[in-house]
Amino acid sequence: AQTVTQSQPEMSVQEAETVTLSCTYDTSESDYYLFWYKQPPSRQMILVIRQEAYKQQNATENRFSVNFQKAAKSFSLKISDSQLGDAAMYFCAHLNRDDKIIFGKGTRLHILP
Amino acid sequence: GAVVSQHPSRVICKSGTSVKIECRSLDFQATTMFWYRQFPKQSLMLMATSNEGSKATYEQGVEKDKFLINHASLTLSTLTVTSAHPEDSSFYICSAAQVYEQYFGPGTRLTVT
Repeated sequence: AQTVTQSQPEMSVQEAETVTLSCTYDTSESDYYLFWYKQPPSRQMILVIRQEAYKQQNATENRFSVNFQKAAKSFSLKISDSQLGDAAMYFCAHLNRDDKIIFGKGTRLHILP
Repeated sequence: GAVVSQHPSRVICKSGTSVKIECRSLDFQATTMFWYRQFPKQSLMLMATSNEGSKATYEQGVEKDKFLINHASLTLSTLTVTSAHPEDSSFYICSAAQVYEQYFGPGTRLTVT
């Protein structure tokens, strides 16, 4: 069965500093998609970044970047220059061949002013 | 970007009654939509996959007679919680699939008294 594991229930980072959220996953598929979603207090799910497994290059979106290690099945999210608005729940997710998204349990990120 | 709406955003109903939640893709057509349930401080749990023009497929443990799903058009899926009980109180989120990505609605908070 496909699983997504986020081992950090909560993390804190000082404003303007860099933080890395960890994620590992398990799949037997060779081609798939991975995502990081942000869920602020409004509870609207917001796509932060997407990685296609067949691409070796790590995805980057402004201050957000990933470290995708396919062999290790690791997909961490790095947030640079953390801002107060980054405070939220972050979910790592895997899209399988049935178009179903499997979510990790989430990491709550606190930004310290 | 693609926009998905949900209606209502919050609803309170009495135990034993039924309540319908609508999910609409506003600017694209979605042959597949998904329904999730999220308990407080937990991750999203996939309930069912809604396919336009065919029966929904339910995840293991989800009662199809209790959670009726209808995907009548390419832009509308509905979830009806029948004979609601207090334990059905939760946050329900829908998403619409478009090319290896899912766009999420803002969610519906259901409270059953």
